[in-house]
Amino acid sequence: AQKVTQAQTEISVVEKEDVTLDCVYETRDTTYYLFWYKQPPSGELVFLIRRNSFDEQNEISGRYSWNFQKSTSSFNFTITASQVVDSAVYFCALSEPIYNAGNMLTFGGGTRLMVKP
Amino acid sequence: DSGVTQTPKHLITATGQRVTLRCSPRSGDLSVYWYQQSLDQGLQFLIQYYNGEERAKGNILERFSAQQFPDLHSELNLSSLELGDSALYFCASSSLQGDAFFGQGTRLTVV
Repeated sequence: AQKVTQAQTEISVVEKEDVTLDCVYETRDTTYYLFWYKQPPSGELVFLIRRNSFDEQNEISGRYSWNFQKSTSSFNFTITASQVVDSAVYFCALSEPIYNAGNMLTFGGGTRLMVKP
Repeated sequence: DSGVTQTPKHLITATGQRVTLRCSPRSGDLSVYWYQQSLDQGLQFLIQYYNGEERAKGNILERFSAQQFPDLHSELNLSSLELGDSALYFCASSSLQGDAFFGQGTRLTVV
């Protein structure tokens, strides 16, 4: 069975600090997708990134970066120079293989990030 | 804007009642997923439809049902509602490329 663990329930930082959100996953599949979503106080789930299991290249998008390490089954998310608007709950998720045209996501419990001015 | 539309945004109803949540996927996406987010269970997959057919089932109660119509919009029907059904219900759609985008959710409150 698939499982996603976000051990950090809540993180509090001061604006401009860097922060890393941890995500560890378990799966028996060799092909899978990993996702990060942001849920601001307004409640919607905002897609941030999708990573294929066969692509371990790290990715950077502005102040966001992701570190995928298959050897340790981790997909960590770093926000550089955090801002108050980054305050939200962040979810890591894992999906089944796509061959059945399915993308059922297994979510971690989420990490609540609070960025203080 | 994710391109996935959910209505209504908020719903308040009494125990024992039945409600219908509606979802329109992104243009071109054939798959629709329903998820429930509650405080005690977190985000849980309920059910998936692909081009009108049920494709996968998760932790969906027998009191809940869903369908996907020929125009690809989907409806989630919740009946005999209980207080514990109060939650945020999300719809998501995905393309074969694998990206999964969520609607804004329907916040259901059962009183």
